[in-house]
Amino acid sequence: AQTVTQSQPEMSVQEAETVTLSCTYDTSENNYYLFWYKQPPSRQMILVIRQEAYKQQNATENRFSVNFQKAAKSFSLKISDSQLGDTAMYFCAFMKRSTGANSKLTFGKGITLSVRP
Amino acid sequence: AAGVIQSPRHLIKEKRETATLKCYPIPRHDTVYWYQQGPGQDPQFLISFYEKMQSDKGSIPDRFSAQQFSDYHSELNMSSLELGDSALYFCASSSRGGNQETQYFGPGTRLLVL
Repeated sequence: AQTVTQSQPEMSVQEAETVTLSCTYDTSENNYYLFWYKQPPSRQMILVIRQEAYKQQNATENRFSVNFQKAAKSFSLKISDSQLGDTAMYFCAFMKRSTGANSKLTFGKGITLSVRP
Repeated sequence: AAGVIQSPRHLIKEKRETATLKCYPIPRHDTVYWYQQGPGQDPQFLISFYEKMQSDKGSIPDRFSAQQFSDYHSELNMSSLELGDSALYFCASSSRGGNQETQYFGPGTRLLVL
């Protein structure tokens, strides 16, 4: 079974600054995906970024980038130039890569990020 | 772009009643997932369907059942509702292959059991 750990329950950052959210995971699988999802106060689950474990290059999406350390089983999210709209709960999630039907997501407990004006 | 559609968005039921939640996946997505998110919790996987067959099962109570229909929409049926079933229920969809193995979530159905 896979586990995802987000040890920081909440963080705060000043608008326009950079913040890093931490995530570690445990698995015996070699092929998998990692995701960050954002859940704003509306509670919609929004995909932020995804990383394939077989790719060494860290994924980036505009102001969002990850630091994926496969050996250390670490997957942190860096948000640059933080904006007020980034205020949300952020969930780290793991998905095993399957040859059959796609697998379920296993989520961490989430971290509440507040961006201060 | 079309997104996952869920209905109803809000539902209020009494204890011991039944509820049916519906999910319409993104067009051409062949896999549907159901998740339950309690207050202050992370989403928990309930069940998934691939090409209309159950593909995986998580912590879904025996009082709940689900199916995927020929048009790929899915329904989650919940019977003998309990207070603890009050939660946000998400449906997500994905497609096999390439870069499509990403789950996209619907807006959720907020169920309140009184």
